[in-house]
Amino acid sequence: GENVEQHPSTLSVQEGDSAVIKCTYSDSASNYFPWYKQELGKRPQLIIDIRSNVGEKKDQRIAVTLNKTAKHFSLHITETQPEDSAVYFCAANEYGNKLVFGAGTILRVKS
Amino acid sequence: DGGITQSPKYLFRKEGQNVTLSCEQNLNHDAMYWYRQDPGQGLRLIYYSQIVNDFQKGDIAEGYSVSREKKESFPLTVTSAQKNPTAFYLCASSLRTSGRAYNEQFFGPGTRLTVL
Repeated sequence: GENVEQHPSTLSVQEGDSAVIKCTYSDSASNYFPWYKQELGKRPQLIIDIRSNVGEKKDQRIAVTLNKTAKHFSLHITETQPEDSAVYFCAANEYGNKLVFGAGTILRVKS
Repeated sequence: DGGITQSPKYLFRKEGQNVTLSCEQNLNHDAMYWYRQDPGQGLRLIYYSQIVNDFQKGDIAEGYSVSREKKESFPLTVTSAQKNPTAFYLCASSLRTSGRAYNEQFFGPGTRLTVL
């Protein structure tokens, strides 16, 4: 089955700096890669996703890049703000609309 | 944050007891999922259901059971056989897909279960 690894496990950045979180996946048949943001005690919420026919997708300060050959994808957050502080999860899909999640990255934005 | 709800928000269980977590959705989604979340780990799939009266085990189904008698409801029972049930439990739902097609999963607010 699919295996997703996520790095780093924690990330501290200064407000205004950029943050990058990286994930690798094992199943070359995976074709959908969402990123979720989870604030403390809350539900995960989808912030951006990318499908395997696209190399990059951007939404305001957030972007995701996908390298299918190397089987890795990354989340980029520019001009970080304190409200970006949360846990971020990457995921990859398996057959049957299932998701396999990475272990998560705790992002702290220091003001 | 309507659409998919979970109850209760907090649940305390004594060792040896079974408890049932509720998950309800009014999004008209066919597929529903249960995940377990532990500190420092990602979400792990317990059970999922693509259609009423049918469900499949996920990666960590041991010690759990589910039913899917109605489209809107997918309750999870944590049995006494689950060795370490203290965790945050998340329910999700989505439109049904086939093969490798994918539809976004929407999450409920979660239930925090603590074994005393």
